[in-house]
Amino acid sequence: EPEVTQTPSHQVTQMGQEVILRCVPISNHLYFYWYRQILGQKVEFLVSFYNNEISEKSEIFDDQFSVERPDGSNFTLKIRSTKLEDSAMYFCASREQSTTEAFFGQGTRLTVV
Amino acid sequence: AQKVTQAQTEISVVEKEDVTLDCVYETRDTTYYLFWYKQPPSGELVFLIRRNSFDEQNEISGRYSWNFQKSTSSFNFTITASQVVDSAVYFCALSERYGGATNKLIFGTGTLLAIQP
Repeated sequence: EPEVTQTPSHQVTQMGQEVILRCVPISNHLYFYWYRQILGQKVEFLVSFYNNEISEKSEIFDDQFSVERPDGSNFTLKIRSTKLEDSAMYFCASREQSTTEAFFGQGTRLTVV
Repeated sequence: AQKVTQAQTEISVVEKEDVTLDCVYETRDTTYYLFWYKQPPSGELVFLIRRNSFDEQNEISGRYSWNFQKSTSSFNFTITASQVVDSAVYFCALSERYGGATNKLIFGTGTLLAIQP
């Protein structure tokens, strides 16, 4: 069964460093998302991506964040200068259409020290 | 404004008991979609069900059933004859048809369900 895959599963980085989280969405899906979940809290929307551009972003998604779909299969989230409060589980999701169910990857646990 | 409320933070039941997880939503749209996701201790988010606002039929899938009531803006989830493997955090989510270009999911705060053997 097709699935969304994310790498790495866990990343530890020093404050101020850049990190790139990688995702391979399901191949025939058109809509891509990043969400994050701070430990013990709810899942929060960060950004959505459609037709090779950002279509919506939340207040959390400030200038330190960027997304790319460099090669038609990978979908990346970059955090330029990580802060302690960026520590969270980051989920990538994809949908075939904007109204269908979203399938999530297994998440990348980012720990900023 | 769009909002999902899961008032039950934690529920603990003994195996084989039935348990219902509550979800109440707010939306201005007449067309919207409701979802339930399961997050087991391993951390991934597993899709369980999607329901659109025009379909108020209840759904049953094995031991799982869902009760959608537009009149009370609720989309409750019942597990019958619970099992230890059902232990997880369960999230209810809402996606509005006209909630933006890509209809992001708005999640509730989740209910931690613990099934005791």
